[in-house]
Amino acid sequence: EDKVVQSPLSLVVHEGDTVTLNCSYEVTNFRSLLWYKQEKKAPTFLFMLTSSGIEKKSGRLSSILDKKELSSILNITATQTGDSAIYLCAVPYRRYKLTFGKGTLLTVNP
Amino acid sequence: GAVVSQHPSRVICKSGTSVKIECRSLDFQATTMFWYRQFPKQSLMLMATSNEGSKATYEQGVEKDKFLINHASLTLSTLTVTSAHPEDSSFYICSAEDDSYTDTQYFGPGTRLTVL
Repeated sequence: EDKVVQSPLSLVVHEGDTVTLNCSYEVTNFRSLLWYKQEKKAPTFLFMLTSSGIEKKSGRLSSILDKKELSSILNITATQTGDSAIYLCAVPYRRYKLTFGKGTLLTVNP
Repeated sequence: GAVVSQHPSRVICKSGTSVKIECRSLDFQATTMFWYRQFPKQSLMLMATSNEGSKATYEQGVEKDKFLINHASLTLSTLTVTSAHPEDSSFYICSAEDDSYTDTQYFGPGTRLTVL
């Protein structure tokens, strides 16, 4: 059965800290891995990773895929309270469909 | 770019009524859209895959006669919750896959349905 596991499930940090969120996957015919940020509403797209070892970056967020380890990390540097959210990792399986991890709840305190 | 809208954002209805939720891709074409349901503190649960011009594909355990899906154009899919009951109360989220970028799904803002 295809699955996506995220860790930690929750994390509390102070503003300015750097955090690393993990996602591991077991899927047949791996094509890509996606990261989303979910605040009070629906998820917003962050990154799509297809190639191992190539870092994708957007401001203070970055992500990298390791196909050998079947995993990905999402880094957030100099965290701000606005980074507080659930971060979801998802992997497509079969055609089109996404398998989501349970998410990491990040709380950034002032 | 890559904006998906959903309407309404919030709806409260009486038990037994039907509710229609619209999902639109605003700046891209989406042959395929998806409908998810999310319960508090849980991850998204895929309900069905909506394909433009053909019947939707429902996930196991999802009643197709209760959750009617219509994908009338490359930018619009609708979910109708028929004869809603309190247990249908949930957060419904649609997503659309950009035809130009396979596998990348963009989510709408969600619809909070409360059935009294």
